[in-house]
Amino acid sequence: GQQLNQSPQSMFIQEGEDVSMNCTSSSIFNTWLWYKQDPGEGPVLLIALYKAGELTSNGRLTAQFGITRKDSFLNISASIPSDVGIYFCAGQLGGGGADGLTFGKGTHLIIQP
Amino acid sequence: NAGVTQTPKFQVLKTGQSMTLQCAQDMNHNSMYWYRQDPGMGLRLIYYSASEGTTDKGEVPNGYNVSRLNKREFSLRLESAAPSQTSVYFCASRGISGTFTEAFFGQGTRLTVV
Repeated sequence: GQQLNQSPQSMFIQEGEDVSMNCTSSSIFNTWLWYKQDPGEGPVLLIALYKAGELTSNGRLTAQFGITRKDSFLNISASIPSDVGIYFCAGQLGGGGADGLTFGKGTHLIIQP
Repeated sequence: NAGVTQTPKFQVLKTGQSMTLQCAQDMNHNSMYWYRQDPGMGLRLIYYSASEGTTDKGEVPNGYNVSRLNKREFSLRLESAAPSQTSVYFCASRGISGTFTEAFFGQGTRLTVV
């Protein structure tokens, strides 16, 4: 099956710093997604990317769908304490199909005071 | 504004016991999913249901069965629990329209098998 390699596994940063994480895949995906999971909660969608090359922003978050359709990155600018959590990339093959998402293993973001 | 509701939130089982994890969504979504989350492994798809009356295996289906009871409900059953099934289980649902629809997740069921 498809595999997503997400890096880094964890990040220790100072409040106010910018953050960058990425995912690469051995397979092409038609949709790339970025989720955030807070402790004790389910993942919540941050950004969805539908087209190769697409660059999308959501507040301080920016994500891009790689031109090869095999990678994506997520940037967070000027990090704040509530950004702490686990960030997952996910890929979907089908455009509107019912197949499940393939998830990366997550990036733990820890913000040091 | 319930979204996806999972029950129970926590469960401890003895090896060999059986149980059913319940999931219900109130968004009239066609597709529903069961994932398990283990440390360092991300979320892995166990089973999914594209529509009422259909189910398909995901990446890690062994040891599980599912039932799509109706459009709202999708249950996950462990017939004979094993310690390797200790995990956090998430149910998700998606509507199917257009190019993409967001998958909404429940809050998870934390299962420990001793």
